[in-house]
Amino acid sequence: ETGVTQTPRHLVMGMTNKKSLKCEQHLGHNAMYWYKQSAKKPLELMFVYNFKEQTENNSVPSRFSPECPNSSHLFLHLHTLQPEDSALYLCASSQLGTSGGIRELFFGEGSRLTVL
Amino acid sequence: GEDVEQSLFLSVREGDSSVINCTYTDSSSTYLYWYKQEPGAGLQLLTYIFSNMDMKQDQRLTVLLNKKDKHLSLRIADTQTGDSAIYFCAERDASKIIFGSGTRLSIRP
Repeated sequence: ETGVTQTPRHLVMGMTNKKSLKCEQHLGHNAMYWYKQSAKKPLELMFVYNFKEQTENNSVPSRFSPECPNSSHLFLHLHTLQPEDSALYLCASSQLGTSGGIRELFFGEGSRLTVL
Repeated sequence: GEDVEQSLFLSVREGDSSVINCTYTDSSSTYLYWYKQEPGAGLQLLTYIFSNMDMKQDQRLTVLLNKKDKHLSLRIADTQTGDSAIYFCAERDASKIIFGSGTRLSIRP
């Protein structure tokens, strides 16, 4: 148990569906992240939230829409995805220092997404 | 920009030592990490080293850091079947961590 819980663990969706991935951290951290892991690019950072504010968006297509209602919860809303979006989506959290520096990341077990 | 590189595959015999190598580009990195990912799971921090250290040992794991060459290695002594996983090297860049592509370690009997 890493203290970061992701649901669902597996998701199959069609290209016209709308679904959401959920992440919850029980570690009292102030930053949360979405990573995409696929065979083509093993670990791509998608979004960073620092104290609920989005601080990084790595040129992610708008069909991925993150939401961070509080520092413990992070969502990734999915709509009109493409088959190439099939991947393992990993959520992580960390405690940023007063200068904004990161120490280490704690990962959830991931949500395996298949787009048909 | 930041870049972390490592070889994709390593195969070792059970009981031998495994050495996984990594190079990075950001000379200002203060922390360097090794994460492990077992099948069907997320990444788990194995160990990390501060940039002002040359070596860190933790049971069967030894991390060596050569700052001049920007080279990091992870040595696993007495490799066991349970060590089969993907090992990611990573460096800290302010508020984010940059990962390499991962080295898949397989163990043969």
